[in-house]
Amino acid sequence: DSGVTQTPKHLITATGQRVTLRCSPRSGDLSVYWYQQSLDQGLQFLIQYYNGEERAKGNILERFSAQQFPDLHSELNLSSLELGDSALYFCASSSGANTEAFFGQGTRLTVV
Amino acid sequence: AQSVTQLDSHVSVSEGTPVLLRCNYSSSYSPSLFWYVQHPNKGLQLLLKYTSAATLVKGINGFEAEFKKSETSFHLTKPSAHMSDAAEYFCVVSDGSSASKIIFGSGTRLSIRP
Repeated sequence: DSGVTQTPKHLITATGQRVTLRCSPRSGDLSVYWYQQSLDQGLQFLIQYYNGEERAKGNILERFSAQQFPDLHSELNLSSLELGDSALYFCASSSGANTEAFFGQGTRLTVV
Repeated sequence: AQSVTQLDSHVSVSEGTPVLLRCNYSSSYSPSLFWYVQHPNKGLQLLLKYTSAATLVKGINGFEAEFKKSETSFHLTKPSAHMSDAAEYFCVVSDGSSASKIIFGSGTRLSIRP
């Protein structure tokens, strides 16, 4: 158990819909990262938050947004969903610079 | 800017033989380097990490990696492969900047032949 909790584990939704994925980092970790893993694109970095502020942005679509709340949990919002958004979404947390990231088990999103 | 390159997308070895998964990196700062493993339908698990201490790093499950600054490499090795080692392996670099961005390699799929 990494200490990072992601909910839900599985999500099936229709095209055009909006979903919210939730991540609770390890106790004390200030950084939260979101990644998308699909068969054709591999593991793609989406976005990073540190203590509530956006720190780095990767290949995140405009239809996607994220935030980190004062209690440090984070949510990834995916809207106007398309079939190609079907993927495994991982959240990871770390305590700071040059420290390892601990990953949650992921949320498997299926868009039908 | 930093980047990481895993030189092989797929490696296949026989059970009991050595494993070598290659990784090269570039970083403007003194990097930290990690190897993660992902078994099918599972999350990513940290195998080992290098953070500017000893250049030879030992990890879990008999894996180890050597940091070679002159070659900008951080290859992962194991003396004797086990069937349970079959998984996807990711080399990761994290710089020491304030953003502390973590960059993943594209992954190497390790297959073990009986």
